[in-house]
Amino acid sequence: QSVLTQPPSVSAAPGQKVTISCSGSSSNIGNNHVSWYHQLPGTAPKLLIYDNNKRPSGIPDRFSGSKSGTSATLGITGLQTGDEADYYCGTWDSGLTNMVFGGGTKLTVL
Amino acid sequence: QVQLVESGGGLVKPGGSLRLSCAASGFTFSNYYMRWIRQVPGKGLEGVSSISSGGDITYYADSLKGRFSISRDNAKNSLYLQMNSLRAEDTAVYYCTRALSGGLDVWGQGTTVTVSS
Repeated sequence: QSVLTQPPSVSAAPGQKVTISCSGSSSNIGNNHVSWYHQLPGTAPKLLIYDNNKRPSGIPDRFSGSKSGTSATLGITGLQTGDEADYYCGTWDSGLTNMVFGGGTKLTVL
Repeated sequence: QVQLVESGGGLVKPGGSLRLSCAASGFTFSNYYMRWIRQVPGKGLEGVSSISSGGDITYYADSLKGRFSISRDNAKNSLYLQMNSLRAEDTAVYYCTRALSGGLDVWGQGTTVTVSS
């Protein structure tokens, strides 16, 4: 059972927008920066968002992140079939002194 | 280019040991915290262990304390994970990652550890 809670799956049509939620507690999301990753089958995860809402170089502005209290949200606009992947939120947990993640959300672009 | 390459995975019997290595290149290794993350096939990500840039501060998942040991050699640009008393539930792909502020910005390709008799 994951420390952070994400919906198992989300779906939307090409060109539409989708959001993925990530819920935690004061020991993790509430007091630490959130990051988001996507992972294609058989490959390593790739950083999409760090420090709650910053995009690494090369990540398009279709991807956005936000945080409020003990929850965070990843937004993806202009969905493309290539966005189909598993998405994970992550953060440091000050109580566990360990990196923690959500269970992952499978995005389907219908 | 910035790269992390893991090695040392394989098949080991329950109770056995393995030492994973991660070779870093393309950046100043000694400036960064590093973390090991693992993933059971078909499952989610799990934090394993972290180490400070100088190697003097280490953290472990509660379930692994006493069995796993993280270390680094900044002169060799290398990160290590010594895994002892391995169990079937330690079977996973192990990723070496670079910690950037609030995220993990560089990931290796992963090395597979299988614990089975």
